[in-house]
Amino acid sequence: DARVTQTPRHKVTEMGQEVTMRCQPILGHNTVFWYRQTMMQGLELLAYFRNRAPLDDSGMPKDRFSAEMPDATLATLKIQPSEPRDSAVYFCASGPKLAGNEQFFGPGTRLTVL
Amino acid sequence: QQQVKQSPQSLIVQKGGISIINCAYENTAFDYFPWYQQFPGKGPALLIAIRPDVSEKKEGRFTISFNKSAKQFSLHIMDSQPGDSATYFCAASRLNTPLVFGKGTRLSVIA
Repeated sequence: DARVTQTPRHKVTEMGQEVTMRCQPILGHNTVFWYRQTMMQGLELLAYFRNRAPLDDSGMPKDRFSAEMPDATLATLKIQPSEPRDSAVYFCASGPKLAGNEQFFGPGTRLTVL
Repeated sequence: QQQVKQSPQSLIVQKGGISIINCAYENTAFDYFPWYQQFPGKGPALLIAIRPDVSEKKEGRFTISFNKSAKQFSLHIMDSQPGDSATYFCAASRLNTPLVFGKGTRLSVIA
């Protein structure tokens, strides 16, 4: 049964450390999204890709966040250096199209920055 | 600028009752309106979706009502069950742009 996978599921790190989160989208989906979820802000769209090309990353802090798709089976979200305010659940989602169709979410990575 | 406004933030409903969650949008170009359901520790999952050419869509106990002129849509959960306790998100999108999500509604169904 096809699903989006994310690793790690939980990450605790200290302020200033680099954090890398990984996502394997559903095979055949050409659109990948990264979201951040917090109680205060809800679901925030950080970046998204189509056919591995970044379309928009205006939702994330450029100085510390970066998102890439090295190949069609892997998307990464890096934070360097991490800060306590980055503590949140990060979701990856994939879909067959950019708009008008279901997005399939992964289980999320719960990040805690001390 | 919040393009999709969702209310209420939280909702408590008795088992067997009707749960109603509302969303209002601003962009008349939106043409796809899904509702996502999220259980604790899980990612959101599509529950039901509607396009603006119909005013209502029903799937089991879940119904979306859509009012194009008022730019509003709502989720109705009939015969609410404790297993429906979750966070619900409305969303909207238009051609070639990703979904815009509401802030979410935490639903608790009590016996």
